[in-house]
Amino acid sequence: GQQVMQIPQYQHVQEGEDFTTYCNSSTTLSNIQWYKQRPGGHPVFLIQLVKSGEVKKQKRLTFQFGEAKKNSSLHITATQTTDVGTYFCAGPVDSGGYQKVTFGTGTKLQVIP
Amino acid sequence: KAGVTQTPRYLIKTRGQQVTLSCSPISGHRSVSWYQQTPGQGLQFLFEYFSETQRNKGNFPGRFSGRQFSNSRSEMNVSTLELGDSALYLCASSLGLTWDEKLFFGSGTQLSVL
Repeated sequence: GQQVMQIPQYQHVQEGEDFTTYCNSSTTLSNIQWYKQRPGGHPVFLIQLVKSGEVKKQKRLTFQFGEAKKNSSLHITATQTTDVGTYFCAGPVDSGGYQKVTFGTGTKLQVIP
Repeated sequence: KAGVTQTPRYLIKTRGQQVTLSCSPISGHRSVSWYQQTPGQGLQFLFEYFSETQRNKGNFPGRFSGRQFSNSRSEMNVSTLELGDSALYLCASSLGLTWDEKLFFGSGTQLSVL
């Protein structure tokens, strides 16, 4: 079936280093969303990308949607301890005529102060 | 505007029992989706309800069921609990009109099956 995978599964970085997580879908996505889940918390919406090749920035976070709309990335510049959490990408995946929002496997980020 | 409310926050059950979880969406939201989150499996889609109808379903056994009421509140039921059902159950709400709406998650119900 259609899958949304993320790599890496875990990432430990020193505070101040950059971090990137990659999201890959087996099929073309009409849009992709990114969520962040802090430890002990629930996923919180960060951003949505819709257009092929789209790039959006939120302060130190840069989001990209691939040209083929099958992959996406989230890059954090100069990580801070507040960036700790698990980052999920999510996209609508066709399921028998309807679509369901399917989440990627997630990348857990640990920032070492 | 109140957020998505899930009750209870924690539950401890034993194998073979059944459990009912509740989710109250944001006012005006008609879609409620349920997800199971475990450390090794990430967020797994259970089902989605819109206007009291199940619109989509994930690959879970029939022991997992749900329903939605006319006020959009949703319940999820798990019968004959198994140890492997221990997880964080999250519900998310949205308007439900298009597939590019962001999801608003509740704080989840942490279910432990002993």
